[in-house]
Amino acid sequence: GAVVSQHPSWVICKSGTSVKIECRSLDFQATTMFWYRQFPKQSLMLMATSNEGSKATYEQGVEKDKFLINHASLTLSTLTVTSAHPEDSSFYICSALRATDTQYFGPGTRLTVL
Amino acid sequence: TQLLEQSPQFLSIQEGENLTVYCNSSSVFSSLQWYRQEPGEGPVLLVTVVTGGEVKKLKRLTFQFGDARKDSSLHITAAQPGDTGLYLCAGGSQGNLIFGKGTKLSVKP
Repeated sequence: GAVVSQHPSWVICKSGTSVKIECRSLDFQATTMFWYRQFPKQSLMLMATSNEGSKATYEQGVEKDKFLINHASLTLSTLTVTSAHPEDSSFYICSALRATDTQYFGPGTRLTVL
Repeated sequence: TQLLEQSPQFLSIQEGENLTVYCNSSSVFSSLQWYRQEPGEGPVLLVTVVTGGEVKKLKRLTFQFGDARKDSSLHITAAQPGDTGLYLCAGGSQGNLIFGKGTKLSVKP
C-alpha cells in the first residue's frame, strides 16, 4: 500500500513561535500533496495544494504568508505555521496524490499553541 | 461549488445490525472515495469507485457508485464494535477531493 508519514505527530508551542510539519510519501513519488485542517468533530478542510517545484495553491481564506508550504522534492512537503497563535491550534493532515484521484493521508499532526 | 451531502451525521447502533451511509451531490465526480478515520489519526482509504453503477465489496462493507456518478452509498452488514469510527466520502475531480462532513458511527456491543 501507499504510506505517508507526518512529523511530528504532536507539537506544543508558545504563541508567536513558528512550527514546521513534514509530510513524506515513503513508497511512491508524489508531484502533488495536499494540506488539510480538521477541527474537532468536523470534516477535513483543504488549506492548500502543494506542487513539487512550484508555488502552492491556497484555498480562499487561507493566508499564504502565515501557512508557508514548500514542496522541495517528490517525497517531501513541509507546512510552516508562522507566528502561531492559539486559534491555529488544530489537527493538520497531509495527503499525497498517487493516482489521478486517489489521495493517501498521513497520520496527522496535533498542534497546540499556548 | 461542488458539495457532497453525507448522511446521517451520527449513527449509534447495536452490534449485529445493518446500516447504510449516503453521499449525495448535484455534481458529477470522476471518482468517489470512502475513508475511515479513527480519533487522532489520518483517514484511511477504504475504496475508490470510478464507474457509474459500480459496486465493490470489502468483507462486510458494500460500496456503490450511482449510475450518474453523483452519489454513493456505503452499506455495512452485521456491524461490529470494531467498525466504530468516522466515515468520510470524498468526490474526486481533477486531483482534488471534495469531502462530505462525515458520519460518526458507534457500534455498541
